[in-house]
Amino acid sequence: DAGVIQSPRHEVTEMGQEVTLRCKPISGHNSLFWYRQTMMRGLELLIYFNNNVPIDDSGMPEDRFSAKMPNASFSTLKIQPSEPRDSAVYFCASSSSGRADQTQYFGPGTRLLVL
Amino acid sequence: GNSVTQMEGPVTLSEEAFLTINCTYTATGYPSLFWYVQYPGEGLQLLLKATKADDKGSNKGFEATYRKETTSFHLEKGSVQVSDSAVYFCALTPASGGSYIPTFGRGTSLIVHP
Repeated sequence: DAGVIQSPRHEVTEMGQEVTLRCKPISGHNSLFWYRQTMMRGLELLIYFNNNVPIDDSGMPEDRFSAKMPNASFSTLKIQPSEPRDSAVYFCASSSSGRADQTQYFGPGTRLLVL
Repeated sequence: GNSVTQMEGPVTLSEEAFLTINCTYTATGYPSLFWYVQYPGEGLQLLLKATKADDKGSNKGFEATYRKETTSFHLEKGSVQVSDSAVYFCALTPASGGSYIPTFGRGTSLIVHP
């Protein structure tokens, strides 16, 4: 199994530009999570999808952030317009849903730097 | 709400020393408990887990026991290696509520010197 795939692995952009992060979950997993990790705030859950439907987006910081999951094998996290404070590592994770003992499988992350 | 509290890091040890990283949690019922490890430049990966009281999770020489009476899940290893240097995250997933959204601790950085 290839694991969770994220692209790009690194992104450097200028303030005000649109940024799109991509994620391919593990085949057969029906829960998908987007996280943001910074030194200041640690690991934050941004949004959680179950069966392609957003279940909890309370962690999305503001309207500049949006996430979609058009099918079971693909999700995007978009930031428009980007700001320097969005600089962080963004992780996608997937799991089988329906039970509390399910392990989360994390991708390698996208390291975003907004100048 | 649910919460996970880990000891502040960094924890600095010499090779072959004994390791303990404390983790306590707040949750109703019997959540599932996890330790994840994050090596530099990588995503988190499962180290071990326990799903009911008194269960012991173990992997790669690491162990943690689910203690309901003290709401704890402390991570231990008898003899650490330089390759164990990483950040360790304690986490829980609630047993009920239907959403199974995990709660993570802040992470504890471990540095092992030769």
